Amino acid sequence: DIQMTQSPSSLSASVGDRVTITCRASQTISIYLNWYQQKPGKAPKLLIYDASSLQSGVPSRFSGSGSGTDFTLTISSLQPEDSATYYCQQSYSIPRTFGQGTKLQIK
Amino acid sequence: EVYLVESGGGLVKPGGSLRLSCAASGLTFTNAWMTWVRQAPGKGLEWVGRIKSETAGGTIDYAAPVKGRFIISRDDSKNTLYLQMNSLKTEDTAVYYCLSSWDVWGQGTTVIVSS
Repeated sequence: DIQMTQSPSSLSASVGDRVTITCRASQTISIYLNWYQQKPGKAPKLLIYDASSLQSGVPSRFSGSGSGTDFTLTISSLQPEDSATYYCQQSYSIPRTFGQGTKLQIK
Repeated sequence: EVYLVESGGGLVKPGGSLRLSCAASGLTFTNAWMTWVRQAPGKGLEWVGRIKSETAGGTIDYAAPVKGRFIISRDDSKNTLYLQMNSLKTEDTAVYYCLSSWDVWGQGTTVIVSS
């Protein structure tokens, strides 16, 4: 199974900050990497697919990059509503696997 | 717009069984590859399994922790996905989500396995 490791596990940042979350796969997954945002009590929301493609309706301050084993999710200017937990997930092979999550708090 | 509505969750004793349903609308269900994902309380997301469309062969894949205990099936005539859960363990306690694609999730149904 492919292991997905996110860092950091949690972070706190201020409104307007640039925030980066990283995700590393235990083996190459090409660009088959999704990023999700989850708020308490809600289903996850797809932000980025295929490593860098912005899902329709997602604000442009969210962006993704990377290929192979190393990926990043960047929020260019943090907004209060971005407080959430973020997950990466590989869609390269079965079983699909998720990172452990990154909890983002607003200072 | 695509809607997925899960049902069937509840409280069950260890060793018991439960069947979850996921009713789909707004999509051509017969062509959809459907997925189950779960989330234990306070924990991360865990892929449970997937069933391909019949036209794609209907192949079913399971995560190791549920293989041999859970059965994924579909009834295309009812636009409904199922998850039959047998030999339930306390560690199966979670919110169970069905998905028709990575951008379409149901609201989830809660399963609690406890004596």
